[in-house]
Amino acid sequence: GAVVSQHPSRVICKSGTSVKIECRSLDFQATTMFWYRQFPKKSLMLMATSNEGSKATYEQGVEKDKFLINHASLTLSTLTVTSAHPEDSSFYICSARDSLAGEVDEQFFGPGTRLTVL
Amino acid sequence: GQNIDQPTEMTATEGAIVQINCTYQTSGFNGLFWYQQHAGEAPTFLSYNVLDGLEEKGRFSSFLSRSKGYSYLLLKELQMKDSASYLCAVLDSNYQLIWGAGTKLIIKP
Repeated sequence: GAVVSQHPSRVICKSGTSVKIECRSLDFQATTMFWYRQFPKKSLMLMATSNEGSKATYEQGVEKDKFLINHASLTLSTLTVTSAHPEDSSFYICSARDSLAGEVDEQFFGPGTRLTVL
Repeated sequence: GQNIDQPTEMTATEGAIVQINCTYQTSGFNGLFWYQQHAGEAPTFLSYNVLDGLEEKGRFSSFLSRSKGYSYLLLKELQMKDSASYLCAVLDSNYQLIWGAGTKLIIKP
């Protein structure tokens, strides 16, 4: 099956610093990637939809200047949490949609990145 | 508004069968997914239904009734490793995934 990787898997940073998370589709092309965050015991919350070569579409309530998304190629999207604060601590998950997928519009998830801001 | 309901938590016994229900009200429908998520990990795909009926895949089966806005995930021969959260998600008319809050399944020996 299709594989999506995320890097880093875990990051601890000081308040005020910026953190970049990479999401890569390893064996397929993804014109669309999604970024989610998940708080403990809560469902996934879509933050933004990232389209290759264009600006990301952010969900209501998500600050685009704080969560910078870049989808520069068909296999890579990055999420940068700028000036991170403790309330940004969360589990960030990316997923990718196979551009050449058939009938099943399946999303393939990365393993997630656990961000802890001290 | 869009809404997906599933039980918060269920408990079952190893070797038994459990059915996790999901009801949905969404703007349009382009398919329903079930995902499994172990604590601290990303979700993994289990099934996809877009037509009414039962889809069987090994120990797991998924059923859909579009007229009733209803789906269930059936897990047979439960194993301890099946302890996880099970997420129901619907693809709406804009091809956006609408997520349920997940059902935490606890398997007891």
